[in-house]
Amino acid sequence: DTAVSQTPKYLVTQMGNDKSIKCEQNLGHDTMYWYKQDSKKFLKIMFSYNNKELIINETVPNRFSPKSPDKAHLNLHINSLELGDSAVYFCASSQADATASWETQYFGPGTRLLVL
Amino acid sequence: GQNIDQPTEMTATEGAIVQINCTYQTSGFNGLFWYQQHAGEAPTFLSYNVLDGLEEKGRFSSFLSRSKGYSYLLLKELQMKDSASYLCAVVDSNYQLIWGAGTKLIIKP
Repeated sequence: DTAVSQTPKYLVTQMGNDKSIKCEQNLGHDTMYWYKQDSKKFLKIMFSYNNKELIINETVPNRFSPKSPDKAHLNLHINSLELGDSAVYFCASSQADATASWETQYFGPGTRLLVL
Repeated sequence: GQNIDQPTEMTATEGAIVQINCTYQTSGFNGLFWYQQHAGEAPTFLSYNVLDGLEEKGRFSSFLSRSKGYSYLLLKELQMKDSASYLCAVVDSNYQLIWGAGTKLIIKP
């Protein structure tokens, strides 16, 4: 009965590879997000999807692309991985749309990505 | 620019009270969140303040002063399980969530 789930939990890969992280929410929420938490623990929003439309794109490199097959899923594809991409990536969801993000966001367990 | 300031780390004793402060300078204000994040886990919601004053929820209380750009999270009767990072986040005028770096709270017996 996990609310927001992510796979994989750990991802170790070589520089230059392409990888994907999957996220699913069973809360019936309208909006899903991807965050990157770096070693300094700052949570930086990367993308937000509302009803399968990209609402926010915080000028992340175009090597990162979100894909939403349906309202319950928001996957993150990363091409040509770089050392600086090593971080924890959190998926989250909320009921309201992204222009009203005061609604509580529920986070997935995180994916720890290490690029060697 | 937008800025959220919190102490990096605090230490407190089991059973005591601790106050974690957060000051912010943002383009507009539409509310402030506190989240708890245990090491290696996802952030979980603690509180939301949009009006001035104190909101109490069991052992945890959150205070907001919009005129001062200031909030605090008060934890009473500290337990070892309260050892975690506490993240302050502000909703700005564009309804974007601006996150602080978090305060790591260490509880000692």
